[in-house]
Amino acid sequence: EIVLTQSPGTLSLSPGERATLSCRASQSVSSSNLAWYQQKPGQAPRLLIYGASTRATGIPDRFSGSGSGTDFTLTISRLEPEDFAVYYCQQYGSTPLTFGGGTKVEIK
Amino acid sequence: EVQLLESGGGLVQPGGSLRLSCAASGFSFSTDAMSWVRQAPGKGLEWVSAISGSGGNTYYADSVKGRFTISRDNSKNTLYLQMNSLRVEDTAVYYCAKEIRSKGYFGYWGQGALVTVSS
Repeated sequence: EIVLTQSPGTLSLSPGERATLSCRASQSVSSSNLAWYQQKPGQAPRLLIYGASTRATGIPDRFSGSGSGTDFTLTISRLEPEDFAVYYCQQYGSTPLTFGGGTKVEIK
Repeated sequence: EVQLLESGGGLVQPGGSLRLSCAASGFSFSTDAMSWVRQAPGKGLEWVSAISGSGGNTYYADSVKGRFTISRDNSKNTLYLQMNSLRVEDTAVYYCAKEIRSKGYFGYWGQGALVTVSS
């Protein structure tokens, strides 16, 4: 099983600042089969990024993903008020599918 | 518009059973793999089970293997999760989720069904 470790656990930032979230895998994720999701309280997750770097339909270009192998990054270039949420990475290169523990981006 | 609507959640005693359903609409249901993903209160996401579009292939997390069964009825556009021998640690919101082109990542999610296992 591929274990995904996200850091930091919580990121305290102000609107307009840049957010950098990390997702590290316990073994190489094949073919960059890594996705990122955003979840707000009381809502289902929303797909942001797949294939490590491809934005899903309708996702603003302030969200970008990068990385390969075991190290992946989600960057939000300028935080908007609606971006404060919890973010999860997920690998789908092998079963069982696994999620990281999440990073909470909170308003400073 | 893709819609996924879960039902069947509720309160059940440890050792009991429950069946979740997910009614799908707005897409060709038999085309794509589907999964169940759960989230314990205040915790992160955990993939539970997946099923191929035809229903011929199923996959389970070790935590539920032998206790849960995923199935689908493509004539009714409905996904199921039969949960037996429920444990307190199975308490969670259960989401059904549609894979994008059966690739393993989830482009559409239901609103979730709360399952509470407690005596």
